[in-house]
Amino acid sequence: DGGITQSPKYLFRKEGQNVTLSCEQNLNHDAMYWYRQDPGQGLRLIYYSQIVNDFQKGDIAEGYSVSREKKESFPLTVTSAQKNPTAFYLCASSIDRTAPGGAFFGQGTRLTVV
Amino acid sequence: SQQGEEDPQALSIQEGENATMNCSYKTSINNLQWYRQNSGRGLVHLILIRSNEREKHSGRLRVTLDTSKKSSSLLITASRAADTASYFCATDYGQNFVFGPGTRLSVLP
Repeated sequence: DGGITQSPKYLFRKEGQNVTLSCEQNLNHDAMYWYRQDPGQGLRLIYYSQIVNDFQKGDIAEGYSVSREKKESFPLTVTSAQKNPTAFYLCASSIDRTAPGGAFFGQGTRLTVV
Repeated sequence: SQQGEEDPQALSIQEGENATMNCSYKTSINNLQWYRQNSGRGLVHLILIRSNEREKHSGRLRVTLDTSKKSSSLLITASRAADTASYFCATDYGQNFVFGPGTRLSVLP
């Protein structure tokens, strides 16, 4: 079955650590996105990539980094520079933004700073 | 901010009633999409309406778009307890999807 997979589901980070969240899709989508969701809030765009080896900053990119070496994979690193990383992180992919099926989302990774 | 805004923030209804949620936005868009999110899960795409369309249906869902008022509405008819979730509109204004803060719908049995 095609889909988008995020791992791990839960992640704990110590102060000063970098952590990497995984996002893999087998939908053959060119575009991939990372969003951050805080409790009771909407989604804020961190980074997006429209094609392999290219990515763009979203609205809240500071303290985060990404790579897009393969079409299927778009990992997000939360660096120690991100001062308030505790949140729910969602990865998405899409053929393009006009596709009737919209964006496909993973099940999310809940990151907690301990 | 070009973020869409859903209204109301929260809505509680009885099973069988209709639920209406609204989304307003600020700039011209290519399309508008509605998503559903169950607690602690990812988002699920419900429906996309293009800027040249005025109304679309999908099962119990009806979406309208009024570009002159820069607003959209999502109507869920004959609601069920399983419809309890948060609903988000996402606007595509040519750069990316921009999500609103969502409407939390509770359908009481």
